[in-house]
Amino acid sequence: AQKVTQAQTEISVVEKEDVTLDCVYETRDTTYYLFWYKQPPSGELVFLIRRNSFDEQNEISGRYSWNFQKSTSSFNFTITASQVVDSAVYFCALSDWSGSARQLTFGSGTQLTVLP
Amino acid sequence: DSGVTQTPKHLITATGQRVTLRCSPRSGDLSVYWYQQSLDQGLQFLIQYYNGEERAKGNILERFSAQQFPDLHSELNLSSLELGDSALYFCASSPSQTVAGGGDTQYFGPGTRLTVL
Repeated sequence: AQKVTQAQTEISVVEKEDVTLDCVYETRDTTYYLFWYKQPPSGELVFLIRRNSFDEQNEISGRYSWNFQKSTSSFNFTITASQVVDSAVYFCALSDWSGSARQLTFGSGTQLTVLP
Repeated sequence: DSGVTQTPKHLITATGQRVTLRCSPRSGDLSVYWYQQSLDQGLQFLIQYYNGEERAKGNILERFSAQQFPDLHSELNLSSLELGDSALYFCASSPSQTVAGGGDTQYFGPGTRLTVL
């Protein structure tokens, strides 16, 4: 079974619309960490946010907000008033124990296209 | 700019050849991670080094190897290259002040795009 599932392969919205990217994860650890990264067309991976499993407080940062729900193993990401520059692939990732060390497992990514 | 540097940016080579990718972590970071991003496999963890020692292995092929030097830079060696090794290879670094590495944020370099012809 996939550890991190991003069911939305591609999303297309018109500028100024709100968009939510879904992420569902699976782990047996009680202490784990969740991340969102952004990969713009230029190719680099940009860190957006990190949450630990004990902190379910949702966060808003400018136009970005995150909704972490342990009960449903979900860590969703919302962009408010989307802009063309938000067009990128967004990856959700889970850090948990695998063998003797923590490993970061990425979802398959959601390609977000914001149209002008 | 994450502070992680990778060279070269692009590499084109032929099947059967060997290449070396280089990574310099952010100042003060002790852990270096290597990832492969390909269209069919997505982003896959290959290997982690912490302060010069191998710490964790992921889906790394036997033809691939890595090392971390005393100055903490790392190299990923890919040998007997096949067409399927064409991918974007990322290096990431994190502080990992403890060996357990409590879920540190990994900061990624710009990647090396490898094309095997």
